[in-house]
Amino acid sequence: NAGVTQTPKFRILKIGQSMTLQCTQDMNHNYMYWYRQDPGMGLKLIYYSVGAGITDKGEVPNGYNVSRSTTEDFPLRLELAAPSQTSVYFCASSPDRNSYNEQFFGPGTRLTVL
Amino acid sequence: AQSVTQLGSHVSVSEGALVLLRCNYSSSVPPYLFWYVQYPNQGLQLLLKYTTGATLVKGINGFEAEFKKSETSFHLTKPSAHMSDAAEYFCAVRTPNRDDKIIFGKGTRLHILP
Repeated sequence: NAGVTQTPKFRILKIGQSMTLQCTQDMNHNYMYWYRQDPGMGLKLIYYSVGAGITDKGEVPNGYNVSRSTTEDFPLRLELAAPSQTSVYFCASSPDRNSYNEQFFGPGTRLTVL
Repeated sequence: AQSVTQLGSHVSVSEGALVLLRCNYSSSVPPYLFWYVQYPNQGLQLLLKYTTGATLVKGINGFEAEFKKSETSFHLTKPSAHMSDAAEYFCAVRTPNRDDKIIFGKGTRLHILP
């Protein structure tokens, strides 16, 4: 049981380039989330999904897109990378809507946009 | 709306001393509360959570937290700090049966002095 896995671990992009951050979970969780973490700012929710085919915006969705075609995968797409998107990105999942269930986090992707 | 405030972005304690990390929340209904720990270059992992019942909650690695409704607080403590406790700690709140999202505080980095 690998939990939540993310690839790549590190990436450097040039301004205007695009990329997809991959996230996969093998716990059969319905709920999945994407966060970005900036120093001193905690975690900000970018997008989340409550099941395959359903996604919704979080607090900071601009500049990102997501899709959820399967229960396992929840990729995050950056279309036109900007320096403001330099951050550490975390994917997380939780089993269902029950609020007492914590979220399980992946190890993160450190992205630098130059 | 829910919110979480962590007092002190950095806290330093000597090895063997008491650890106290402060968290106050705002919620219109009794919330579910979480403490997560993040070790360097890793994702977040759950330390402990409060849902219902006993207000003193014990977690991993000797940490515990007490839910105080009258003070809207959920402070994290450990009687004796160890060098391995050096990490960043996040308090989080989730509204039962109302929201699919967890709101995170900005984090407190704990430094352990030899």
